[in-house]
Amino acid sequence: DGGITQSPKYLFRKEGQNVTLSCEQNLNHDAMYWYRQDPGQGLRLIYYSQIVNDFQKGDIAEGYSVSREKKESFPLTVTSAQKNPTAFYLCASRRTSGYYEQYFGPGTRLTVT
Amino acid sequence: AQTVTQSQPEMSVQEAETVTLSCTYDTSESNYYLFWYKQPPSRQMILVIRQEAYKQQNATENRFSVNFQKAAKSFSLKISDSQLGDTAMYFCAFMKLKGAQKLVFGQGTRLTINP
Repeated sequence: DGGITQSPKYLFRKEGQNVTLSCEQNLNHDAMYWYRQDPGQGLRLIYYSQIVNDFQKGDIAEGYSVSREKKESFPLTVTSAQKNPTAFYLCASRRTSGYYEQYFGPGTRLTVT
Repeated sequence: AQTVTQSQPEMSVQEAETVTLSCTYDTSESNYYLFWYKQPPSRQMILVIRQEAYKQQNATENRFSVNFQKAAKSFSLKISDSQLGDTAMYFCAFMKLKGAQKLVFGQGTRLTINP
């Protein structure tokens, strides 16, 4: 089955710790994205990558970092510099030509206390 | 910068009724895509329908259809014969085709279908 996996589904961390969220896709998509969703709000773009070894900041990149060493993988690190890290994080991917819709993973709920 | 506005935070209808969700957007681009995504209680984002701006014909997918008014920058979603499984948050999203092809989302409309 082709798709996007995010692990774990729920993640708990203490304040001051960095934490890495996993995102893997086997759809052979070139572009990958990370979004943050807060209660009652739409999705906001954190980082995106349109090709391996290249990524760009989205609208709310402060306190986050990413890497794109493999086409299939786009991990997101939430650093201790992120002031309000508790949120629902969604990863997405899409082809870069022909079809423009993004396909989403199931998400990771991060709680920092 | 592009913005997407959904003016209805919540809506509620009876099963089998028709419901229309509103979306307006602001852009100076001429080539773009518009999408409606559904997020049920599981929180999985599911694509409902897409519309290419260069197409005049409104997109349809089974019970879901859109009313795309390019000049008015309006993109509403109509759900016919609504079902209990349609209960979800619905997000309107915009993507320009030039440069970085990022999705810009509206705030969402919480739709409840009552039995």
